[in-house]
Amino acid sequence: QVQLQESGPGLVKPSQTLSLTCTVSGGSISSGSYYWSWIRQPAGKGLEWIGRIYTSGSTNYNPSLKSRVTISVDTSKNQFSLKLSSVTAADTAVYYCARAEISVSYAFDIWGQGTMVTVSS
Amino acid sequence: QSVLTQPPSASGTPGQRVTISCSGSSSNIGSNYVYWYQQLPGTAPKLLIYRNNQRPSGVPDRFSGSKSGTSASLAISGLRSEDEADYYCAAWDDSLGVFGGGTKLTVL
Repeated sequence: QVQLQESGPGLVKPSQTLSLTCTVSGGSISSGSYYWSWIRQPAGKGLEWIGRIYTSGSTNYNPSLKSRVTISVDTSKNQFSLKLSSVTAADTAVYYCARAEISVSYAFDIWGQGTMVTVSS
Repeated sequence: QSVLTQPPSASGTPGQRVTISCSGSSSNIGSNYVYWYQQLPGTAPKLLIYRNNQRPSGVPDRFSGSKSGTSASLAISGLRSEDEADYYCAAWDDSLGVFGGGTKLTVL
């Protein structure tokens, strides 16, 4: 059974870069049947799609974050990562990694448990 | 401001049928599948409906989805207390993921 687990610092200072990693277990990230995404949720608010990566390395980003976001994949470690630069308090949120199955549904069928990131000095 | 529009709240009594609407545009709902996610308090979202009206294995048939034009709906029949959660619609807009703002369902 495939599982996703986010990891990274829970506290980031303003203007610095937020870095998170999602580790995929129980399956290979190199499978061509999935996109790997990052999604965030500020406290008490809705979900915001940040971006996605395919195992080839091709990416798509939310236009509102595109200038600050980089998503990368490390197939040797079965991980993909998020970097968000120049963070502000508005970037404080629970960050989820999720898998989108693309052979049939394009749905986010598996999610990580989420990791809380606070931007504060 | 979310790309897809949902009512912020909905409610019903046990056994009732409730519906939650989701409105989008021709570039997302109008030309792509709609998905619904259920988020119980303190947990990650869970896929409830995919491809407009398909249920993943394990999702009760009390949950159903539909789509017409640039709008979609989630219906929950035989409402139960454990259905109290936040519900999000989602779609792809070209290669970008878009979500609704979420609807908090209260079971009275």
